Amino acid sequence: DTAVSQTPKYLVTQMGNDKSIKCEQNLGHDTMYWYKQDSKKFLKIMFSYNNKELIINETVPNRFSPKSPDKAHLNLHINSLELGDSAVYFCASSQDVVAGELFFGEGSRLTVL
Amino acid sequence: GENVEQHPSTLSVQEGDSAVIKCTYSDSASNYFPWYKQELGKGPQLIIDIRSNVGEKKDQRIAVTLNKTAKHFSLHITETQPEDSAVYFCAASAGANNLFFGTGTRLTVIP
Repeated sequence: DTAVSQTPKYLVTQMGNDKSIKCEQNLGHDTMYWYKQDSKKFLKIMFSYNNKELIINETVPNRFSPKSPDKAHLNLHINSLELGDSAVYFCASSQDVVAGELFFGEGSRLTVL
Repeated sequence: GENVEQHPSTLSVQEGDSAVIKCTYSDSASNYFPWYKQELGKGPQLIIDIRSNVGEKKDQRIAVTLNKTAKHFSLHITETQPEDSAVYFCAASAGANNLFFGTGTRLTVIP
C-alpha cells in the first residue's frame, strides 16, 4: 500500500500548456506539501496545507495553484507552463504542522518543451 | 529566511569505511534537524533526526551530531555498505514543519 501516491509519474508537455499533478496520502496525516526539485537536486518547499487550509506559500509564481479538496488530497495545477518549470515535483505529508517526519511520494517529473 | 549549506557535494568511500557529511545553518531559531536519503527515482526518506535539546543521536550505523553554538550538524555513517549509496540531504526547521534543505551530497560506496 503506497502511503503517498502522486500521478502522473512523468509528464511531457509544450510551453504554454496547463497541467495538473495529483497527490493522495492514506496515512491519516493532517498536513501536506508540494516540493520542487530542480536539475541540481535542490529541494525547495512550494506550498503546505493543514486540514485543507493553506499555511505555507513560498515565493512561487501565481501560475501555480494548489487545491486541497480534503485533507488526504493535495493537487497542483500549473498554468501557462514555462521551460523553467521543468523539474521533479514531490508531494509529501506529515502528521501535523509541528516539525517532524515528512513522508514523500515518488515524484512527478515534468518536462516542458 | 534560513540558509542551509551542505558539504561535500559528492563523496566516494570504500565499502567498510566511514562517511561524514556536514551542514551549517544560519537561523539561530532552528531547532529541528533531519537527514533524508534519496535513492534513484524515489522520494527522500527520513533516516535520522535531532532536536536542539540533544547534542548527539545514534541509530545503528548512523549518527548525527549538533553544535548549536557553531550552528552546524553532521551525519556520520560507519561501516558503509553499497546500499548506502544515495543522495543525502540535511535540513533545518524553526518549529513549524517548513524544512529548509541543504543542496545534497551524492554518496558512492565502492565495493
